[in-house]
Amino acid sequence: DAGVIQSPRHEVTEMGQEVTLRCKPISGHDYLFWYRQTMMRGLELLIYFNNNVPIDDSGMPEDRFSAKMPNASFSTLKIQPSEPRDSAVYFCASSFGRGLSYGYTFGSGTRLTVV
Amino acid sequence: KQEVTQIPAALSVPEGENLVLNCSFTDSAIYNLQWFRQDPGKGLTSLLLIQSSQREQTSGRLNASLDKSSGRSTLYIAASQPGDSATYLCAVKVGSEKLVFGKGTKLTVNP
Repeated sequence: DAGVIQSPRHEVTEMGQEVTLRCKPISGHDYLFWYRQTMMRGLELLIYFNNNVPIDDSGMPEDRFSAKMPNASFSTLKIQPSEPRDSAVYFCASSFGRGLSYGYTFGSGTRLTVV
Repeated sequence: KQEVTQIPAALSVPEGENLVLNCSFTDSAIYNLQWFRQDPGKGLTSLLLIQSSQREQTSGRLNASLDKSSGRSTLYIAASQPGDSATYLCAVKVGSEKLVFGKGTKLTVNP
């Protein structure tokens, strides 16, 4: 398995533009997580899905952020409109069965810069 | 609210030294604890997973221990090498499906 695949690896956009981050989880994993990493706050959970259904989005900072998982092999995180304070590294992770036995597998991340 | 603390924030050691990284958490009601490695500009690589019922896990030169009652975990690295230089993160899995992360320890192993 190729692991969790995220695209793009880097994204530079202007304030106010829409940004879409993409994630392909490991086949067979039934949980998908979106995390954001900043120097100040470290890694924070934004939202997670179980069997493609959003379960907890309490970490999504504001209405400008939205996430979807239309099928078991694809998820998107969208920011519209983007702001400079959204600049961070966004990680997608997946797990099987709540991650109790095998833990979580993370993608390589998308480094977002909003100018 | 679960909080995870890693001390020290940064550590620099000469090659060959044995070292210990520390992780503490405030709520002992965890399912498991996972240690990750993060290289600059890269993602997180899982190193070791310790279930709440376990005391330790070993992989090669790495050994992680867990004392749930005291809210502590340690990652022991034997015979450190320059290639071990990275940021090491610990994370605990809590009942809400979240992984709560520490801020990490940045390790530099000098040749």
